[in-house]
Amino acid sequence: DIQMTQSPSSLSASVGDRVTITCQASQDIRKSLNWYQQKPGKAPKLLIYDASNLDTGVPSRISGSGYGTDFTLTISSLQPEDIATYYCQHYDNLPPFTFGGGTKVEIK
Amino acid sequence: QAQLVESGGGVVQPGKSLRLSCAASGFTFKSYGMHWVRQAPGKGLEWVAAISYDGGNKYYADSVKGRFTISRDNSKNTLYLQMNSLRTEDTAVYYCAKGPQWLVVGWFDPWGQGVLVTVSS
Repeated sequence: DIQMTQSPSSLSASVGDRVTITCQASQDIRKSLNWYQQKPGKAPKLLIYDASNLDTGVPSRISGSGYGTDFTLTISSLQPEDIATYYCQHYDNLPPFTFGGGTKVEIK
Repeated sequence: QAQLVESGGGVVQPGKSLRLSCAASGFTFKSYGMHWVRQAPGKGLEWVAAISYDGGNKYYADSVKGRFTISRDNSKNTLYLQMNSLRTEDTAVYYCAKGPQWLVVGWFDPWGQGVLVTVSS
């Protein structure tokens, strides 16, 4: 099974800061990588699919990049509404579609 | 727009069974693969099971294989998760989620609001 390693597990940044979260797959998954945002007490929400495609309504300050085994989620200017836990997930080939361990983003 | 609503959660003793339902609306349910994902209290997300648009292909996480069964009734626009031989480690919020196409490969969008299953004696 493919393992997904996310880092950091948590971070604290100021409003307006650039925030970067990384996700590494244990083997080549091409561009088969999604990012989700989960706010406390809520269901996860799709942010990015196919590594770099923003879902409808996602603000342009959020972006995704990467291919193969190394992927990045970037928030160019952190806003208070971005406080959440972020998860990567692969969907290469067949299940299991493993999630990363999550990154909790807080305001400093 | 697409909407998913889970039901059937509750408190159950170890070894017992429970069936979750996920009612779909706002899209052509019979045309999409569907998934169950769970989240133990204070933990991350764990993919549980998936089913193709017609129910012909089903997949399970190793942690639930042989105990859980995913199914769907396309005439009722409803997804199910039959959970047998429940263990305390199955305690979690269970979410259903829609795939982007008729197979199970792809992203999950949208997700239901989740339903809590507590396995405790």
